[in-house]
Amino acid sequence: EAQVTQNPRYLITVTGKKLTVTCSQNMNHEYMSWYRQDPGLGLRQIYYSMNVEVTDKGDVPEGYKVSRKEKRNFPLILESPSPNQTSLYFCASSFEGQGFYEQYFGPGTRLTVT
Amino acid sequence: AQSVTQLDSHVSVSEGTPVLLRCNYSSSYSPSLFWYVQHPNKGLQLLLKYTSAATLVKGINGFEAEFKKSETSFHLTKPSAHMSDAAEYFCVVRMNYGGSQGNLIFGKGTKLSVKP
Repeated sequence: EAQVTQNPRYLITVTGKKLTVTCSQNMNHEYMSWYRQDPGLGLRQIYYSMNVEVTDKGDVPEGYKVSRKEKRNFPLILESPSPNQTSLYFCASSFEGQGFYEQYFGPGTRLTVT
Repeated sequence: AQSVTQLDSHVSVSEGTPVLLRCNYSSSYSPSLFWYVQHPNKGLQLLLKYTSAATLVKGINGFEAEFKKSETSFHLTKPSAHMSDAAEYFCVVRMNYGGSQGNLIFGKGTKLSVKP
């Protein structure tokens, strides 16, 4: 089954404790992206990747890191989480390039930083 | 720069009555436009997409949207609401040019409530 998976689905952590949220897709998509969703703000892009070893900042990259060493995986790293990073996070993937390719979204990771 | 504005943060309708969720976009280039739906505690699901082949786009669950270039609008409609339509809906524009090609820009969402 074609899908985007994220782990963990729920995470409660404390300020400053490094964490990684994994994202994996099995559709051989070039493009992958991370979003955060906050009430009243819709989804905002954190980072995206057009292909392996190619990443770039989105609209709200501060406090986050990503890597793209393999095509299927795109982990999101919070080196020193803070309470303002409490949010619902979505990973997405799609085919790259011009055209009207839809993005496929993972199920989301709800992160709480205390 | 591309942007999208959802004109209503909350819409409430009665079951069986029409649904209208409004969206305006701003784009310097011919846009790609999407509507996504998010049911409570669920991920995002694509409802429909505008591919420039036809201005009236039909999606899943009886939803459709009409692309109106002159009005820069892409409103979502459904003739008759069901209780299961209660969800949050996002209008989305896709960047089709430059280094940010492929990036999606989301509206802030419209919460649809359906009353029995």
